[in-house]
Amino acid sequence: GENVEQHPSTLSVQEGDSAVIKCTYSDSASNYFPWYKQELGKRPQLIIDIRSNVGEKKDQRIAVTLNKTAKHFSLHITETQPEDSAVYFCADRTGTASKLTFGTGTRLQVTL
Amino acid sequence: DTAVSQTPKYLVTQMGNDKSIKCEQNLGHDTMYWYKQDSKKFLKIMFSYNNKELIINETVPNRFSPKSPDKAHLNLHINSLELGDSAVYFCASSPSPGGDSEAFFGQGTRLTVV
Repeated sequence: GENVEQHPSTLSVQEGDSAVIKCTYSDSASNYFPWYKQELGKRPQLIIDIRSNVGEKKDQRIAVTLNKTAKHFSLHITETQPEDSAVYFCADRTGTASKLTFGTGTRLQVTL
Repeated sequence: DTAVSQTPKYLVTQMGNDKSIKCEQNLGHDTMYWYKQDSKKFLKIMFSYNNKELIINETVPNRFSPKSPDKAHLNLHINSLELGDSAVYFCASSPSPGGDSEAFFGQGTRLTVV
């Protein structure tokens, strides 16, 4: 994609609460939207992704929603745990592009 | 088995030096990338190669020169290093250039220019 905005930049929640991170993309041709988790000093790793022909996808405590009309997609983490603390990145890619365009990242802190 | 491996993990060097970072993937992927992550954690694409051919070259100074001897390797050479080059450089690979293929990242190379 061309540009991906991500909010909030930092998020602090108490253990057990839910966390929501939102992204907006600009390229209407984008059709793949992954979310990466990066722990301190580690590599980004895929946690969940969604294709443009799907509106919602869930994997245990993690879910992603996509609104193609509004060009929004969101990550939802329920029952947060301390090990969820990390930086989360959204990204998008168009069908023919060869790059993932990343959002600016959200630092999630789960407190006890 | 390490899927995407890059060396070295840490690199400290003086301004003006030339250095290289190596990357190898054993996943059989066609596409490889270099990303730069600055101190604010922004991940920016630098280059993308598909089957040894350069397909993306973002606005990167020509002091940075990628080289892909085969589709399993993508090295990054940097000439005349500057303070602003200090960052973590991630190599990544994916099965194909587009579509919904996941990118797998290496462990990163923390470059510090002093």
